[in-house]
Amino acid sequence: EVQLVESGGGLVQPGRSMKLSCAASGFTFSNYGMAWVRQAPTKGLEWVATISYDGSSTYYRDSVKGRFTISRDNAKSTLYLQMNSLRSEDTATYYCTRYGHRGIDYWGQGVMVTVSS
Amino acid sequence: DIQMTQSPSFLSASVGDRVTINCKASQNINRYLNWYQQKLGEAPKLLIYNANSLQTGIPSRFSGSGSGTDFTLTISSLQPEDVATYFCLQHNSWPNTFGAGTKLELK
Repeated sequence: EVQLVESGGGLVQPGRSMKLSCAASGFTFSNYGMAWVRQAPTKGLEWVATISYDGSSTYYRDSVKGRFTISRDNAKSTLYLQMNSLRSEDTATYYCTRYGHRGIDYWGQGVMVTVSS
Repeated sequence: DIQMTQSPSFLSASVGDRVTINCKASQNINRYLNWYQQKLGEAPKLLIYNANSLQTGIPSRFSGSGSGTDFTLTISSLQPEDVATYFCLQHNSWPNTFGAGTKLELK
């Protein structure tokens, strides 16, 4: 059974940093691209970043470019999202997702990130 | 960015009803359209990928159709366990974009 378990969320002040992790199991992690998707309170879903199966390619939405970094450790079957210079508009539930030729096919439960002073 | 317009936003139907939900893309996305179901407190679940392919383990009462810019998710006979929010995703181009969601309730 595919499982994606996010961790690392919480309350953080504007301008500070936070790192999310996603522990994957139930599939060969190194064979799949991965992505982070977020949903702000009362707002729709928004794709944040994607990384290829081997980490050689990454893609970011414009609003997070230069502030967020997606990475992975295939030996640990773990996906990361390093978020720097956080803003109030980054407040959202962040979902770890598996990304393949079917698009996103599995989602984690999500982790809440609140950016507030 | 490609805009995905999903309708209706809210839907109330009875058990056994045929239910349809629509997504319209602002430009051609070929068949790269997925449908997801999200129940309260749960992770979203893939129902349909690439417009009309049923994900493994999903009941056959769910089906998808469309190509280009107009897509439809159909539940042929609504069951109580289908109460959820449904949303679409285009994965034809970056950034991938989502529909705003349809909240389905029982009448």
